[in-house]
Amino acid sequence: SQQGEEDPQALSIQEGENATMNCSYKTSINNLQWYRQNSGRGLVHLILIRSNEREKHSGRLRVTLDTSKKSSSLLITASRAADTASYFCATEWVKLSFGAGTTVTVRA
Amino acid sequence: DTGVSQDPRHKITKRGQNVTFRCDPISEHNRLYWYRQTLGQGPEFLTYFQNEAQLEKSRLLSDRFSAERPKGSFSTLEIQRTEQGDSAMYLCASSPDLAGDEQFFGPGTRLTVL
Repeated sequence: SQQGEEDPQALSIQEGENATMNCSYKTSINNLQWYRQNSGRGLVHLILIRSNEREKHSGRLRVTLDTSKKSSSLLITASRAADTASYFCATEWVKLSFGAGTTVTVRA
Repeated sequence: DTGVSQDPRHKITKRGQNVTFRCDPISEHNRLYWYRQTLGQGPEFLTYFQNEAQLEKSRLLSDRFSAERPKGSFSTLEIQRTEQGDSAMYLCASSPDLAGDEQFFGPGTRLTVL
């Protein structure tokens, strides 16, 4: 069964705007990871946040984690057309458990 | 290119046929994973190897599925007597030895069962 659940399912924004997506999960975690998948391709790892961390940054990405609410958010700032993709959160330690993803479309 | 590679990229087969997919992980990675992804869903874990040992199998991996990693390098995933419900993208990933490490995914093999 899939533990993570992303929200919204789809997001359409203008280039230069920020995109925010959320992930909720069901059980305790050791870490949470975010991945990106371009259409029909494999997944690319974006960022990992550990259960004792609350916020993490990587370039234009900002991830927060609230273990009390069992939720995480991914913020992409100053979006570009190349950010058009599906974004997945994944939990578990070895065998990753993914949600259904948020599909982000960045309009030029 | 030193990333994870998968072969073939696409496979179309008729129901009842057997298919085999290959995954070549990043050379120094000891862990290798197989996932399955259907349209509009995230990947679902199937199985993983630590070197040549298959350490865990999902309940999704029915008796028709078998995975091997004979020398701890490349891996194969075989599906016997394919069914239309097996149509999906089969993704392979690898990671170093440490649990919780980033997993590096290959481009996937898209299987269509007619």
